[in-house]
Amino acid sequence: KNEVEQSPQNLTAQEGEFITINCSYSVGISALHWLQQHPGGGIVSLFMLSSGKKKHGRLIATINIQEKHSSLHITASHPRDSAVYICAVLRSNDYKLSFGAGTTVTVRA
Amino acid sequence: EADIYQTPRYLVIGTGKKITLECSQTMGHDKMYWYQQDPGMELHLIHYSYGVNSTEKGDLSSESTVSRIRTEHFPLTLESARPSHTSQYLCASSEGQGATGELFFGEGSRLTVL
Repeated sequence: KNEVEQSPQNLTAQEGEFITINCSYSVGISALHWLQQHPGGGIVSLFMLSSGKKKHGRLIATINIQEKHSSLHITASHPRDSAVYICAVLRSNDYKLSFGAGTTVTVRA
Repeated sequence: EADIYQTPRYLVIGTGKKITLECSQTMGHDKMYWYQQDPGMELHLIHYSYGVNSTEKGDLSSESTVSRIRTEHFPLTLESARPSHTSQYLCASSEGQGATGELFFGEGSRLTVL
């Protein structure tokens, strides 16, 4: 079983809809990353969290350390948000990253 | 914008060839990483480096090798490529004294071995 599980695996939304992607992990962590991967492979770091909540534009990321759970929210979604969103945790025992399989988001105009 | 570059972006080669995937960053980061990603699958760490002359193998066993002679340069080499090496290879770097620095990724090198 993967140390990092994301849901849903795929998500399709209409432009303007609110989107939530979930990430659950089973190991002790020092930090959690949300990454965005566009077709062609390039990856961009969206957030790095160790507690609480962060907001950047229309993106909000939250983490609950006790529950071992994080969510990424996209408000007022737009077709340019279409991408794969990846959750990655920095393991506290060896400081290596474990990655989720990603959530493919498609936003239709 | 991240200053981390990978070349080539795409490479198609025959079995048995030696290849080197280049990764360079101009941010002065000590920590650099190579990840392998198959389509639709999660990234797996194959090599990492915490500084010059420091290299370690990652979680996923790989027949590739790496070197870190200069801070900015972290090339990955396959001595004899095989079809099982077909994959996307992503290079990353991070900043900070601890292990919790922000990650910066290159655009990836998509390798196809015939």
